[in-house]
Amino acid sequence: DTGVSQDPRHKITKRGQNVTFRCDPISEHNRLYWYRQTLGQGPEFLTYFQNEAQLEKSRLLSDRFSAERPKGSFSTLEIQRTEQGDSAMYLCASSFKKGPTAGGYTFGSGTRLTVV
Amino acid sequence: AQSVTQPDIHITVSEGASLELRCNYSYGATPYLFWYVQSPGQGLQLLLKYFSGDTLVQGIKGFEAEFKRSQSSFNLRKPSVHWSDAAEYFCAVGAGLGSARQLTFGSGTQLTVLP
Repeated sequence: DTGVSQDPRHKITKRGQNVTFRCDPISEHNRLYWYRQTLGQGPEFLTYFQNEAQLEKSRLLSDRFSAERPKGSFSTLEIQRTEQGDSAMYLCASSFKKGPTAGGYTFGSGTRLTVV
Repeated sequence: AQSVTQPDIHITVSEGASLELRCNYSYGATPYLFWYVQSPGQGLQLLLKYFSGDTLVQGIKGFEAEFKRSQSSFNLRKPSVHWSDAAEYFCAVGAGLGSARQLTFGSGTQLTVLP
């Protein structure tokens, strides 16, 4: 078990460009979450998947954001036409749905996005 | 909707001193409560969680937290702080974890440990 992996660790992009981040959850976990964290704040929920189904999306997730988890394993988060306000740390987490460890999210180290 | 307040933005303690970080939550039903720690540039590590049962919860690294329903609080404590505890600490509340889903985090408390 190597934990939750996120790639890349850092991304610098020009305003208006598209970016895509990848998250590989813990293999046994059936739930996967995306959060966004800006400087000096706690993480904010963006969306979550149970297996390949995207079951909930935050109002923070504008039309420029899309997330997928095509085979119920890894997930991607794409931001189109990036804006400076998108600069943040994007965190992925995974968990079991049920059982004694349910809700015990394991977070990845995050992808830090800087839009210039 | 649930919310979390961490009243202390920054706390400084001396190594070996005791620590208490405050967390107040707002949620209509029985909450699921968490404390996470984050080192610079890193993701969040779960320290402990409360779902039900004993209101005093033990976690990793010598931390504990006490759920007080009457005060809507879930304060984190450690009897003797180590220099390696310097980090940012986040309290979070979760809704309906049996069926979902998302955590709502406080804005964090930055802990500085003096030698």
